[in-house]
Amino acid sequence: SQQGEEDPQALSIQEGENATMNCSYKTSINNLQWYRQNSGRGLVHLILIRSNEREKHSGRLRVTLDTSKKSSSLLITASRAADTASYFCALYGGATNKLIFGTGTLLAVQP
Amino acid sequence: GAGVSQSPSNKVTEKGKDVELRCDPISGHTALYWYRQSLGQGLEFLIYFQGNSAPDKSGLPSDRFSAERTGGSVSTLTIQRTQQEDSAVYLCASSSLRQGVNGYTFGSGTRLTVV
Repeated sequence: SQQGEEDPQALSIQEGENATMNCSYKTSINNLQWYRQNSGRGLVHLILIRSNEREKHSGRLRVTLDTSKKSSSLLITASRAADTASYFCALYGGATNKLIFGTGTLLAVQP
Repeated sequence: GAGVSQSPSNKVTEKGKDVELRCDPISGHTALYWYRQSLGQGLEFLIYFQGNSAPDKSGLPSDRFSAERTGGSVSTLTIQRTQQEDSAVYLCASSSLRQGVNGYTFGSGTRLTVV
C-alpha cells in the first residue's frame, strides 16, 4: 500500500514543548506533504517537500525527508494550545499517481 | 472565490434516498478532488477532475456514486440509494496544478449522516 503510516497515533505534550511526528511509507514518491485538520473538518496544507529535498522549514515547522529510509518527520517547535489538531502526511507519486493520505497523528497540546 | 466552498455543511438523509453534495473550488484551479473520511479515519480518495474530465475515478466505492464537473468549476457528488455505510465527511479540494504537484486547498466538508 502507498499509504503513509504515522507514528505516534496520538501525542500529548505541554505548551512550549516540541512535538515530533513521523511518517513511513513503502513506495517511491515524487513529494510528501503535511496537512493539519481541526475538529474533523477541512484540512490545511502546511508544507511540501520534494523527493530531492532533505529538509524544509516554515515558521515553527521543520520537515525532514529520508528517501533511503522512506520516512519523514514533522517537528513543531515551541508548541501552543492552538496547535492541537490531527496531522496527516500525504504521499504523491509511485504507481497510483494520486495524493494518498496517511492515518494521522492526533496532537494535544496542554496549556 | 477566496476558498473552497462546500454545501451543505451537514446533511441527514434516510437510507435509500439520493443526495447531492456540491463543491465550489477556488477560481482558476483546474484540478478538483473528492475525498471521504469516516469517523476517526484517514482520507479515502474518491475522484479527481482535471477541467471537466475525470481521469481518475478509481476511488468511487460503487456505481451508486457519481460525480460531475461543469464549466471547469463547480462539482457535484451524487450518492444514489444511500446506505448507512455512506455516512462520513465528504471533503472537496482543489489545486492550481495537476494532481499531487502542489498543495491542495480543502473545503470544510459535508458531514453526511444516513439514518
